Formats: sequence, C-alpha cells, structure tokens
Amino acid sequence: GQNIDQPTEMTATEGAIVQINCTYQTSGFNGLFWYQQHAGEAPTFLSYNVLDGLEEKGRFSSFLSRSKGYSYLLLKELQMKDSASYLCAVWNRDDKIIFGKGTRLHILP
Amino acid sequence: KAGVTQTPRYLIKTRGQQVTLSCSPISGHRSVSWYQQTPGQGLQFLFEYFSETQRNKGNFPGRFSGRQFSNSRSEMNVSTLELGDSALYLCASRNDRGTEAFFGQGTRLTVV
Repeated sequence: GQNIDQPTEMTATEGAIVQINCTYQTSGFNGLFWYQQHAGEAPTFLSYNVLDGLEEKGRFSSFLSRSKGYSYLLLKELQMKDSASYLCAVWNRDDKIIFGKGTRLHILP
Repeated sequence: KAGVTQTPRYLIKTRGQQVTLSCSPISGHRSVSWYQQTPGQGLQFLFEYFSETQRNKGNFPGRFSGRQFSNSRSEMNVSTLELGDSALYLCASRNDRGTEAFFGQGTRLTVV
C-alpha cells in the first residue's frame, strides 16, 4: 500500500528554525515533492528531490534519504507568513503523485 | 508565462445534479492531474490525463470522470452529486519530465 506520514501540527517561533519530517512507504519511487498551502488557497510548489542529500533554496531546504524512506523540509529564519500547511508527496512507480495529509505549522511572534 | 487556470472558482449545486470543472494547464505541459481535497482526507488523487489519454486513475466511483482536449485543457465531470462530494477540486499541470507539478487555484464545490 501507499503510506506517507507527517506530523499533524507543529508550532515554532518567529526567527527560529523548524524541521518538518516525512516518512513514506510507496510502490516504487520516482521523486518527492514538498508544497506549501495557505488556508483557503492552492498548494504552491516548493521543491522536488530525487537524489539523496540536501537541496537548498533560500530559507527553505529539503533533504531526502531513499534508503530510509525519509525526507524533511527545513525552514530557517521563520516569518509569520510561513504559517501554513506543508504537504509531502511521493511520485510512485505507477506515475501517481500521492500526498500525505500535511503538517499545519503555527508561527508564534 | 501563464499559470494553471481553473474555472469556475466556486460552485453550489444540489444533490443529484451534475457538474463540469475546467482546467487549463501551463503552456507546453501535456499532463493534467485532478485531486479532491477535504479537511479529513487531505489531497486524494482522482485521475491524470496525458496527451488526451487517461494515464492513471485513483479509487473514486465512476460518477467521477474526465477528459482532455488536443490543446491539453482538461475537464472533470461529477454526475449524481452527493453531499460528500463537497470539496476543493484541484488540478495540477506537470512538465514532461514529471519533476514539476503546479496547481491551479481550485474549484470549491458545495453540494446542498
């Protein structure tokens, strides 16, 4: 079966760093996506990882370990506008992109 | 470069009716996927079209169907609407390598 797990909610402080974890068990693996979704809006593309290691894009970084079925999204210098849901999604061998239920991130001033 | 366009943005329908939603992908993208998003279930995959052919299908009843036109625009149809079909319907436009998938703003469907 397909299983993608993320924490349901997390809270962090403005200016701090937060790491959102994602573990997956899927039928095959072609890559992993992270999306940000603000309440009432569509998801926006953050990153795509297919090789092991860390990819950095400004304040956001995404890490992948294929052997462990594990990824994380690292957000640095948190801002209030980072309050959103973060969705982990896996592109499996059936060519489907399967989403986790998302992690709701609350930023406190 | 224009983004993914979904119409309409909001719809209110009555149980038993049918509805058609439209999605225009990013220019040059031939893949369009449809998802249903509800608070309890998250994003659930409905189907994917590539070059006018359904390439993949999720686990939804036959009341949910779709098609894609030669210009890559896609439509999704839901017949015999049920209250449980109330959701945000999102389409995603994907590049041929599959490494980028961008969502439209969604259609919020309310069934009363």
